Amino acid sequence: TQLLEQSPQFLSIQEGENLTVYCNSSSVFSSLQWYRQEPGEGPVLLVTVVTGGEVKKLKRLTFQFGDARKDSSLHITAAQPGDTGLYLCAGVGPGAGSYQLTFGKGTKLSVIP
Amino acid sequence: DAGVTQSPTHLIKTRGQQVTLRCSPKSGHDTVSWYQQALGQGPQFIFQYYEEEERQRGNFPDRFSGHQFPNYSSELNVNALLLGDSALYLCASSLAGTGLGKAFFGQGTRLTVV
Repeated sequence: TQLLEQSPQFLSIQEGENLTVYCNSSSVFSSLQWYRQEPGEGPVLLVTVVTGGEVKKLKRLTFQFGDARKDSSLHITAAQPGDTGLYLCAGVGPGAGSYQLTFGKGTKLSVIP
Repeated sequence: DAGVTQSPTHLIKTRGQQVTLRCSPKSGHDTVSWYQQALGQGPQFIFQYYEEEERQRGNFPDRFSGHQFPNYSSELNVNALLLGDSALYLCASSLAGTGLGKAFFGQGTRLTVV
């Protein structure tokens, strides 16, 4: 059973469109992180959300952490081809005092010019 | 300032062989974690090394072992390779006490077992 479920698994959109990807869990995580990974590269951290209900903005990207700290979303406004990549969410844990990151399977985004 | 560097970038091994992957952490970091990312999957935690000891281990068999050196660099060893070990192996470094949110990943080593 996947602790972190991401949806959709694949997303192909036209340049300029908006999109939202989701990360859901049955467990509470102390924090959730979003990464973008390009082919042949390691994941690059985009943002960390810690507080339930928290909203963070990074240019055209908006990240939300659910009130219960079990789910998160990433919204991209006016997508550009440079946004193409694999978007991964990850939680610290499970369990208190954990040193591991638990990742979802990711959402593969393609932005068509 | 060099980030996390991994070597080699690509590797092809035969089933049953042994392999060693290497990781140099980002300057100033003292903690190294290893992850396995199979095709189409998210990274899975193998283990973390801090102060030259394995601090936490994920759900991987004993064929996977590691080491951390006094200069904080690390090795991942896999014995008796199986076809299913083919994956991208990622190293992430961080500074203890700053939280995993400050972890930086290397570009990975692509291991193919034939």
